[in-house]
Formats: sequence, structure tokens, C-alpha cells
Amino acid sequence: QSALTQPPSVSGSPGQSVTISCTGTSSDVGSYNRVSWYQQPPGTAPKLMIYEVTNRPSGVPDRFSGSKSGNMASLTISGLQTEDEADYYCSLYTSDTAHVLFGGGTKLTVL
Amino acid sequence: QVQLVESGGGVVQPGRSLRLSCAASRFNFRSYGMHWVRQAPGKGLEWVAVIWYDGSNKYYADSVKGRFSISRDNSKNTVWLQMNSLRAEDTAVYFCVRDHNGAFDYWGQGSLVTVSS
Repeated sequence: QSALTQPPSVSGSPGQSVTISCTGTSSDVGSYNRVSWYQQPPGTAPKLMIYEVTNRPSGVPDRFSGSKSGNMASLTISGLQTEDEADYYCSLYTSDTAHVLFGGGTKLTVL
Repeated sequence: QVQLVESGGGVVQPGRSLRLSCAASRFNFRSYGMHWVRQAPGKGLEWVAVIWYDGSNKYYADSVKGRFSISRDNSKNTVWLQMNSLRAEDTAVYFCVRDHNGAFDYWGQGSLVTVSS
């Protein structure tokens, strides 16, 4: 299975909204709902932001939301803040093989 | 707060072996599956392996299958990653991660493995 496809970079101004896409195929993203999103500021371990497509762990602001349509999942960050600047990764757990696919990562710049 | 502390990283020559350890605390370790995820310098995340909560099942990425082995001891709250026949492309920070229904809800700080002659 190939990695999931994310744009290398996105940017936005404080207060704006941005959406990061995570594209797969009908065999992976299109078939499973265990899509997760992670935030990784430079030099730190990743942090879980969204799991099972739309769910936010406790403590994650509701400015972060997830969705999925067909073979593409998306992470939307509304009301951008400077502290949102980080790398973001999507992942997919495929239950039949118990493997995990990651996207290549997207660097978010808050201008 | 959940704690995952990796150890055992370092510099190793190609073809040699290394074993990483992950000490878990402040949660019911025996109830959770555990993963290893790695990140090469300046690169993205790559899933490496998973072990079921009771050790009954283990799965590996194709890139490490046959060379790496994941194991755990629930009496010691510890999970290990035995890495054999190491290659330069295995150079990475290795994270110990707790499973949450296929998501990774807690991460260790990572342990750097450098494979170089």
C-alpha cells in the first residue's frame, strides 16, 4: 500500500481558515473510517488532533475539525492562530491488515 | 498523565542489531495495543509495527518485516523493538505510541537510531 497524499504546504493568515487534504484510493481511505490527524511542531513528538475522521480528543480546540468524502479526508482549521504553525499528518488504520498508512505531511505556515 | 519513555537508541554499524525499550506508566498498560512509529531526519512519519494488548498478534511494515520484532511484558509495563540487520535507511527517531482504536493517542519523546559505519 502506498502512502496517502497530502499537499506539501498550505498557508493562511491569523483568523482565516485552511483545509488540508489527505487523498487515498477506494481500497484505503474510501474503505475505512479510522482516519486520524496529527500536529507536530518542530522538534516535538506528534499530537493527536482528530481520530475516526471527525472526533476530537479532550483538550483539542473545536477550531480543528475533520471530514471525509469518498477517497479523500480533510482537516480544517478555523480561526487560525500563530501557534497552529506546524507539520500536519494524516493516517489511516486498515483493520483487515492491521497496518497504518501515513500521509507525507503538510507544513502549515501562519503568515 | 500517560508516560512513555523510550531508551536504547544510539549509533550502530550497518548489519548490526539494536533493541529499543519503551517503559509505560500511569495507565493500564495491559489493556492497550502498542506501536512503534519512526521518523527519518527531516522526513515524515512511518509506521513500523504493532503488538496487541495481550501480545497475541503482531504486524509489521513491509520495510522491516523479517528484520524487526516487537514484543511486550505486561508485568513490566514495557514494550520492545528488536532491530536486526540494520540498514542506513533505518536511521530515524523511533517513537513508542499507544493505540486508541487505530489512532495514536500518546507518544513518547522518541529515541534516535543512527545506522552508520
